[in-house]
Amino acid sequence: LAKTTQPISMDSYEGQEVNITCSHNNIATNDYITWYQQFPSQGPRFIIQGYKTKVTNEVASLFIPADRKSSTLSLPRVSLSDTAVYYCLVGARTGGFKTIFGAGTRLFVKA
Amino acid sequence: EAQVTQNPRYLITVTGKKLTVTCSQNMNHEYMSWYRQDPGLGLRQIYYSMNVEVTDKGDVPEGYKVSRKEKRNFPLILESPSPNQTSLYFCASSLGWQGNSPLHFGNGTRLTVT
Repeated sequence: LAKTTQPISMDSYEGQEVNITCSHNNIATNDYITWYQQFPSQGPRFIIQGYKTKVTNEVASLFIPADRKSSTLSLPRVSLSDTAVYYCLVGARTGGFKTIFGAGTRLFVKA
Repeated sequence: EAQVTQNPRYLITVTGKKLTVTCSQNMNHEYMSWYRQDPGLGLRQIYYSMNVEVTDKGDVPEGYKVSRKEKRNFPLILESPSPNQTSLYFCASSLGWQGNSPLHFGNGTRLTVT
């Protein structure tokens, strides 16, 4: 399973764009990259998923370089309600079909 | 509405008293899983199931049991709870077990064992 590394925390202000980068140097050929958002005392919520290049949905964009050894979640014009923990998952279903969450990135959006 | 439903949301019990936390999904998902979340330790997988009657251990299975007799239900059983099982528990499901099947989580069960 590919190990992921994310910043522990980030601060931002309302209206700014936030980019959270995840490193996954040993990503396998068939691994997808998935990002989740978690608010306190709630279950994680799927945000976006990608395999290569760029993916965009109504909530975020995901940038994946050609070597796929990292990925960047981009949140456009954050608001206070985007304060949450963001998890990057890679290779979630290989081998024994386990799902391993890292420590995540705690994003704090200030007014 | 597509969802994963856990019950109860809150549970306080005493050491050794068997309990079951239920989990049900209405999306016909094959893969289901249980996690516990503790401060500083993140989300850790307890057990997972790839389909009916197919279950396997996650990273922290000790002290827990599961069963998957029906596709929609995946109960978590604590035969003899101990205080170190005090935690926030989440059930999740996904359409398949491949890495491109996002997980859908329930709202959690906060368990306190005294």
